[in-house]
Amino acid sequence: KAGVTQTPRYLIKTRGQQVTLSCSPISGHRSVSWYQQTPGQGLQFLFEYFSETQRNKGNFPGRFSGRQFSNSRSEMNVSTLELGDSALYLCASSGTSGRTGRGEQFFGPGTRLTVL
Amino acid sequence: DAKTTQPPSMDCAEGRAANLPCNHSTISGNEYVYWYRQIHSQGPQYIIHGLKNNETNEMASLIITEDRKSSTLILPHATLRDTAVYYCIVRVAMDSNYQLIWGAGTKLIIKP
Repeated sequence: KAGVTQTPRYLIKTRGQQVTLSCSPISGHRSVSWYQQTPGQGLQFLFEYFSETQRNKGNFPGRFSGRQFSNSRSEMNVSTLELGDSALYLCASSGTSGRTGRGEQFFGPGTRLTVL
Repeated sequence: DAKTTQPPSMDCAEGRAANLPCNHSTISGNEYVYWYRQIHSQGPQYIIHGLKNNETNEMASLIITEDRKSSTLILPHATLRDTAVYYCIVRVAMDSNYQLIWGAGTKLIIKP
């Protein structure tokens, strides 16, 4: 079974631009979560989508948004990029629904975003 | 806010058991403890999880104290490939779903 894939792997943007990152979950998984990882703040939860609906949201400004398609693929968008948005953006998929299941998340390799 | 406290770094000799401690003194009764690890430049990888009882799988053992305020992840025979950052995480229930609250992690270095 193929793992979680994220595209692109690396991205360089300038301040003020916007960016869209893509995540394809493991086949059959309906939950996709996004995380931001920086050296200073560690891994921080952005949001989670399940069956095309945002189910959970972390404490990030509205510039960070996402969506999920009917095939469970997900995209996240960051508008008006700031230098502080430079980070590794990780996507994780899970086959569990709600509180059932063991809650294991499968992570992709991440997209390294650099904002200049 | 993180609900776990871990030492920032640890060393362990290859072939020995690596014992990674985690403090989660504010954990609630229905909150699970999860462990993930992240090898450099890769996404985190699930290791094990537990609620009250000790757990063991092919990768590791998880020992949770009776009061559930701390736990220890044990890698029984560490190899060089176990060098990674190990995260102790609390899974918090939120309405009909849950969320993983990540801590800062322990950088484990396995030395030959």
